[in-house]
Amino acid sequence: GAVVSQHPSWVICKSGTSVKIECRSLDFQATTMFWYRQFPKQSLMLMATSNEGSKATYEQGVEKDKFLINHASLTLSTLTVTSAHPEDSSFYICSARDGASGAGEQYFGPGTRLTVT
Amino acid sequence: TQLLEQSPQFLSIQEGENLTVYCNSSSVFSSLQWYRQEPGEGPVLLVTVVTGGEVKKLKRLTFQFGDARKDSSLHITAAQPGDTGLYLCAGGVGLSFGAGTTVTVRA
Repeated sequence: GAVVSQHPSWVICKSGTSVKIECRSLDFQATTMFWYRQFPKQSLMLMATSNEGSKATYEQGVEKDKFLINHASLTLSTLTVTSAHPEDSSFYICSARDGASGAGEQYFGPGTRLTVT
Repeated sequence: TQLLEQSPQFLSIQEGENLTVYCNSSSVFSSLQWYRQEPGEGPVLLVTVVTGGEVKKLKRLTFQFGDARKDSSLHITAAQPGDTGLYLCAGGVGLSFGAGTTVTVRA
């Protein structure tokens, strides 16, 4: 099946620093990737949609200057949390849409646990 | 944004019992996906339903898509402790997610 990886799986950083999270589709090409965040015992909330070679589309309330998204290739998207603060601590999950799938299934990465101290 | 409502939010049952999770919307979806997520991991796709009235079976799990493609259900027969997890329905281009149903199966 389709595999999506994320790196790192967890990261601890100090307040004010920036953190980059990578999302890779390993065995398929993903023209579209999505970034979600999830708080404990809650569902996933879409942050932004990333299309290869173009600017990301951010959901309402998500600061594009704080959460920088780059989708430089058909297999890699990155999310950079700039000037992180404790309230940014969360579980960040990416997903990739298999362009060859007619139903548009999305496959998720294992997530990245970010803790800002 | 197309909204999906899941019910119940929490479900705790004894091993061997059956359970049903519902996913409802006022919007029509071209397809709906069901995912299962375990703590600290990403959601894993269980099934995609596309056709109104469609029924799909995955071992002890039965998924149904409503005739009008506005609702779906997940039924688990003879639940086992390994079925414990957060079940999520999702649909739409950017995958709107329901709030999820936390299922706990007690041994």
